[in-house]
Amino acid sequence: AQTVTQSQPEMSVQEAETVTLSCTYDTSESNYYLFWYKQPPSRQMILVIRQEAYKQQNATENRFSVNFQKAAKSFSLKISDSQLGDTAMYFCAFSDMRFGAGTRLTVKP
Amino acid sequence: DTEVTQTPKHLVMGMTNKKSLKCEQHMGHRAMYWYKQKAKKPPELMFVYSYEKLSINESVPSRFSPECPNSSLLNLHLHALQPEDSALYLCASSLLATGYGYEQYFGPGTRLTVT
Repeated sequence: AQTVTQSQPEMSVQEAETVTLSCTYDTSESNYYLFWYKQPPSRQMILVIRQEAYKQQNATENRFSVNFQKAAKSFSLKISDSQLGDTAMYFCAFSDMRFGAGTRLTVKP
Repeated sequence: DTEVTQTPKHLVMGMTNKKSLKCEQHMGHRAMYWYKQKAKKPPELMFVYSYEKLSINESVPSRFSPECPNSSLLNLHLHALQPEDSALYLCASSLLATGYGYEQYFGPGTRLTVT
């Protein structure tokens, strides 16, 4: 069975700065997908970014990018130019929708 | 329309009640999901429907009974729940089921309190 680990329960960053959230996983599969989802306070969960394991190029969506290290089974999320609206719980998830424990990110003005 | 709707928003029920949660999407998605989320915890997958057939049941107690009447609707029937079942119940949908990398769209959830 797949496992997803997020080792940073809480993080904070100053507005306009860059922050990196960590995620590691364990799987015996060779092809799979990894996701970062964001759950703002009292709002719906939404997809931030997705990575296909067989693609070597790291996924990027505007201010959000990933550092995908397949051999190390690591999938970190970098948020550049942090904004107040980025304050949320961030969950890393595997193809089968097993979620990590989450990282609570607070962006400070 | 990229929305998943859930009703009711809040539900309080006694341990002997029977109630149902409803989820609806009109995006043409063929996979729908139920999750349970406790406070400050990640969502836990409960059930997956693919093409209106139950494809995954994560060993959920029988007091939770899912139903998918058509490709747009997903229900969760509740009976004889326990206080520890109090949680946020999330519905989600995706074009196809997990494993294909499709984005899941989540509803706002139903906050359930069992007294």
